[in-house]
Amino acid sequence: EVQLVESGGGLVQPGGSLRLSCAASGFTFSDYYMDWVRQAPGKGLEWVGRSRNKAKSYTTEYAASVKGRFTISRDDSENSLYLQLNSLRTEDTAVYYCVRGLPWVGGYYFDYWGQGTLVTVSS
Amino acid sequence: DIQLTQSPSFLSASVGDRISITCRASQGISSYLAWYQQKPGKAPKLLIYATSTLQSGVPSRFSGSGSGTEFTLTISSLQPEDFATYYCQQVKSYPLTFGQGTKVEIK
Repeated sequence: EVQLVESGGGLVQPGGSLRLSCAASGFTFSDYYMDWVRQAPGKGLEWVGRSRNKAKSYTTEYAASVKGRFTISRDDSENSLYLQLNSLRTEDTAVYYCVRGLPWVGGYYFDYWGQGTLVTVSS
Repeated sequence: DIQLTQSPSFLSASVGDRISITCRASQGISSYLAWYQQKPGKAPKLLIYATSTLQSGVPSRFSGSGSGTEFTLTISSLQPEDFATYYCQQVKSYPLTFGQGTKVEIK
C-alpha cells in the first residue's frame, strides 16, 4: 500500500525557517517524481515544486512564489522527500501536501497524497 | 502561466442528478488535464487524468472530456458521497496550476 506521511509543520515567525519531511512507503520511491502542493486555510490548491527522479538527475522545479526561498530535496536511500522553507512569510501559511507523480503519456499526475502538515507563519 | 477557470464555482444539486463542471484553460493544453475531488479536512483524490482516463477505483459515474482549452467533468448520477469540492489541474507546462475549485453541495 502506498503511503506518504508528512511531518515537520508548526508555528514559525515571519522570516523564519522550517524543514518538512515526507516518508514514503509501498512503492519504489527512487523511480518517481515527487511534488509538494499547498493549500492556505479555506483556499484552493497551489503547486509548490517538484523533484524529478534519479533518471532525470533529481532536477527541480518551483513555483515563482517560492523560488529562491524553498528548496526540495530527497534521499532515495531513506525513501524521503524534503521541503526546506526559508524566509517565511505570513502568506506561506498553509497545509503542505507531499504528492507522488504518476507518469502518463508525457504528463505527471498526482495519484497519491499525504495527509498534509500545517505550517503557520505568524508573530 | 496557464490560468484555469472553473465554472460554476458553486453548484447545488440533488442525489441522482447529472452534473457537469467546466474547466477552461487560458491557452491550449492538449489533453494534459486532471480532476481531483476534495472533502473537508482531507487530501485531494485523483479522479481522472489525461482528460478522460479514470483513476483506478473511481466509480464509472465520473467521466471527463475535452481537449485544447475546454474540459468537462461529468457525474452521471450524483451520490451522497460525491458532495465535495472539485479541482482541475493542468500538467502541460510549469508552473503546474489548478482551477479555483467547484463546491458541490446538497440542494
